[in-house]
Amino acid sequence: AQSVTQLGSHVSVSEGALVLLRCNYSSSVPPYLFWYVQYPNQGLQLLLKYTSAATLVKGINGFEAEFKKSETSFHLTKPSAHMSDAAEYFCAVSESGGSNYKLTFGKGTLLTVNP
Amino acid sequence: KAGVTQTPRYLIKTRGQQVTLSCSPISGHRSVSWYQQTPGQGLQFLFEYFSETQRNKGNFPGRFSGRQFSNSRSEMNVSTLELGDSALYLCASRASNWPDYEQYFGPGTRLTVT
Repeated sequence: AQSVTQLGSHVSVSEGALVLLRCNYSSSVPPYLFWYVQYPNQGLQLLLKYTSAATLVKGINGFEAEFKKSETSFHLTKPSAHMSDAAEYFCAVSESGGSNYKLTFGKGTLLTVNP
Repeated sequence: KAGVTQTPRYLIKTRGQQVTLSCSPISGHRSVSWYQQTPGQGLQFLFEYFSETQRNKGNFPGRFSGRQFSNSRSEMNVSTLELGDSALYLCASRASNWPDYEQYFGPGTRLTVT
């Protein structure tokens, strides 16, 4: 069964500092991996997805993530945090892209950006 | 292209009542999934519909049901509401062709059960 663990329910950084949000997954097959962001009172917005074509995935708003099979990790990074990055971030996995597709989410990491 | 829309955005119901939530997917998307988000359990998959057929279901009681219409719009119904059903219900749609398998989420319906 697929599962996702996000280390750290709350991460606080200063504006301009590196953002690192950790995600480890468990999957019995090569997974499909995603990062979503949720702003208050809104739905989820897709940041990036792992397609298996490249281990380093670039997304929107300057975020990127690296797929490391040996570590079963898919950590999200951004070189320089901006105040507008403050939100909750969710890592998600699906073992199938077809008829058995369903996302399993981590518990989320709340990112605070301090001025 | 318009995004996923959900109606209503907010809903207050009384325990024991039933509720129907509506979701309109992105044009051309044939798959619609529903998720429940609560502070305690996080985001949990409810079910997925594709071409009017439920093809995947999460671990929720039978009080939770859904359907999809020929235009891909979907509804979710919860009968005999319980206090624990208070949550944000998110609908997501996706295209069915590789590699566009990512899901796009609507803004959600905030259900409060009193």
